[in-house]
Amino acid sequence: EIVLTQSPGTLSLSPGERATLSCRASQSVSSSYLAWYQQKPGQAPRLLIYGASSRATGIPDRFSGSGSGTDFTLTISRLEPEDFAVYYCQQYGSSPPGMYTFGQGTKLEIK
Amino acid sequence: EVQLVQSGAEVKKPGESLKISCKGSGYSFTSYWIGWVRQMPGKGLEWMGIIYPGDSDTRYSPSFQGQVTISADKSISTAYLQWSSLKASDTAMYYCARQSKSAAGIWGQGTLVTVSS
Repeated sequence: EIVLTQSPGTLSLSPGERATLSCRASQSVSSSYLAWYQQKPGQAPRLLIYGASSRATGIPDRFSGSGSGTDFTLTISRLEPEDFAVYYCQQYGSSPPGMYTFGQGTKLEIK
Repeated sequence: EVQLVQSGAEVKKPGESLKISCKGSGYSFTSYWIGWVRQMPGKGLEWMGIIYPGDSDTRYSPSFQGQVTISADKSISTAYLQWSSLKASDTAMYYCARQSKSAAGIWGQGTLVTVSS
């Protein structure tokens, strides 16, 4: 089973700053099957990025994803107040088939 | 509008059974996988398992195999997550999501399950 490790656990930044969140896999992941989600308190998760780098519908272009193999990154170019939330990566794996896993999450908090 | 609507919050006692639901609308329910995700209080997301309503093909995370049952009734576009004997540790928010290989683009609003004596 593939394990996703996100870092840092908590990231303290100010509005207007750039945020870089990391997701590292225990074995290689297809870029097509790596996604990022945002979750705010009391809300369901929201899809931000799929296929490692494609923005979901309605997601502002300050959000971008990159990476391949075992290392993936979510970047928020200029933080807005509404971006402070918890972020999760998720992968779909083929061994065993049909299994998905989430990273443990990165909390982005206001400094 | 494509949406998943989950059943309401539940309060149960240990040992009781429970079945929660997730109804899809606005799309072909039989053409997309539906996954279930657990979020324990103050914790992260845990992927539990998935079902393809078209043929009821079901997969479980090893962590949840044998602990829950996932099913679907395609005639009413509804997926289910059920427990035969709840434990206090099952207390959590449970989300369903329309899942493709690349991502879960549509999420239900969540069902809060509280298990307490």
